[in-house]
Parts: sequence; C-alpha cells; structure tokens
Amino acid sequence: EDQVTQSPEALRLQEGESSSLNCSYTVSGLRGLFWYRQDPGKGPEFLFTLYSAGEEKEKERLKATLTKKESFLHITAPKPEDSATYLCAVQAVDTGKLIFGQGTTLQVKP
Amino acid sequence: GAVVSQHPSRVICKSGTSVKIECRSLDFQATTMFWYRQFPKQSLMLMATSNEGSKATYEQGVEKDKFLINHASLTLSTLTVTSAHPEDSSFYICSARYLTGDEQFFGPGTRLTVL
Repeated sequence: EDQVTQSPEALRLQEGESSSLNCSYTVSGLRGLFWYRQDPGKGPEFLFTLYSAGEEKEKERLKATLTKKESFLHITAPKPEDSATYLCAVQAVDTGKLIFGQGTTLQVKP
Repeated sequence: GAVVSQHPSRVICKSGTSVKIECRSLDFQATTMFWYRQFPKQSLMLMATSNEGSKATYEQGVEKDKFLINHASLTLSTLTVTSAHPEDSSFYICSARYLTGDEQFFGPGTRLTVL
C-alpha cells in the first residue's frame, strides 16, 4: 500500500534557527514527490516537484531533496512568515493520484 | 500563472439542502480536476477525479450520488453536495492539472457547515 509519513508533526523554531522536515514514503512506482505549503483556512500552495533520487530544488529559504525512501525539506534561517503546515505528497506511476502525508506544522517565533 | 479559484469560500446551510461549489482554473486549461476533503487537523483525502467531458471517477467510500461532479469545460468543475447533513461539514478543496504536467494547483478551499 502506498503511504506517506511526515515527521515531526509539529516543529517550533526561533527565527534564524535552521532545521529539516522529513517525508518518508513507500510507493509501488514513484512518478513524483511534491511539497506544498498550507496556511490555515487556505488551499495548499505548490512549492516543489522532485522526480529522482539525488535531485534537489531550492526556493528562497527552502531546499527540497529526494532519496529512494524519503525527502527532506530544509529550512535555512526561517522567518515568522514561514510558519505554516508543510505537506508532502507522492504520485504513483500506476494511479497518477497524489497521496498526502499528515503534514508538519511549523511555527517560527520572532 | 496556475491560479485556481473556488466559489463560495464559505457556506452555511440547513440539513437536507444541496450546495454547489465551483472550481475554476483562471489562466490555464485543466483537462483534469480533483476534489479533496480535509477534516480539522487531518490531511487531504481525494474524493474524485474529473476529466473534462467525461464522468468523474470516485474514490472508494465516496458516494457518487451524494457528491455530484460536473466538469463541463476545460476551466470549470463543480461539486454539488446533495441533501447535505452535519457529517458533510468539512473543508472542500479542488485542484487542477495541466494536460502535460504532473503538478496539481489548488484552489483556496470552501468551508461547508451544515446545521
């Protein structure tokens, strides 16, 4: 069964304190892994797509990496505006559907 | 680019009434649109996949007669919750995908409260 597990569930950081969020997955055949940001009461906002192990993508303070079993979202010197829930999702080759993890809720304090 | 809108953003209705939610891709043509439901503190659960001009494909456990989906054009899909009950109260989110892409772009969501 295709499955996505994110850790930790919640993370509190001080402004400027770098950290990483983890997304572990099992999927029959990976078409792509996606990271989204979701603010309270809003729909998810697309961040990155990763397709193969070793691939990295960067956007401002965020960098996403991918291995054959997990992905990391590294946050460098976070700011309070980075506070949100970060969702990881995998797309299986056979179904094409997105399977989401439970998310990591990040709070960055000034 | 890749902007998806939803209307309404919030709706409160009485038990037994039907509610229609619209999802539009504003700056691209979406051959495939998806409908998700999200309960508090939970992740997104796919309800159905709709392709323009054809019947929607529903996930296991989702009643197709209760959640009617119409994808009449390349920029518009609608979800109608028929005879809504309090247990249908949730956050409904649509997404749209380009013909040639893998990424799904999400709308802002619709908060449905059934009294």
